[in-house]
Amino acid sequence: DVKVTQSSRYLVKRTGEKVFLECVQDMDHENMFWYRQDPGLGLRLIYFSYDVKMKEKGDIPEGYSVSREKKERFSLILESASTNQTSMYLCASSLKATRPFRELFFGEGSRLTVL
Amino acid sequence: AQRVTQPEKLLSVFKGAPVELKCNYSYSGSPELFWYVQYSRQRLQLLLRHISRESIKGFTADLNKGETSFHLKKPFAQEEDSAMYYCALPSITGANSKLTFGKGITLSVRP
Repeated sequence: DVKVTQSSRYLVKRTGEKVFLECVQDMDHENMFWYRQDPGLGLRLIYFSYDVKMKEKGDIPEGYSVSREKKERFSLILESASTNQTSMYLCASSLKATRPFRELFFGEGSRLTVL
Repeated sequence: AQRVTQPEKLLSVFKGAPVELKCNYSYSGSPELFWYVQYSRQRLQLLLRHISRESIKGFTADLNKGETSFHLKKPFAQEEDSAMYYCALPSITGANSKLTFGKGITLSVRP
């Protein structure tokens, strides 16, 4: 059973703080993704990684960075949190393949509130 | 550019009524399309993909290339179908690929 685990389910931070969101998967997946989920806006891709130390920007990378030092772990970093980054953050992983595209397995989400 | 459009935000029906959740796409080439579902307090998960041509939990979705649509249908809705539904389309960038989601639609099935 594929497991994607996000270490923090709920976080409350202050504006300007540095925030780390951690995600670990146990299925040896090459691809890992970070999305944010907002009502009315759906899921928007922040960053993704297709291999260790490799990363690509998604649709909304501004204000975020990522780290993938090990295959199973993908971290999302908010260098200086702002109130407009209050959101639900979803991590996902998948096997690496272009056709057919492989199923994404999601974590439970990390709800971040920035005050 | 690849794009997925879900034109409605909310669909509310009574139990036993038919359901159609709309999804339109913009894609050059032969698309792959997916429906993901998120039930209350559960993680987002795959519901079905068009290449499988299967029915999951009574839901089906047919790819209509002429209308560039991939609508999700169920003839008789159940209360347990209440959830958030997302249509999704992969886009390939070089040797890599990512999944683009629509804005989602909330399905509410009333008793």
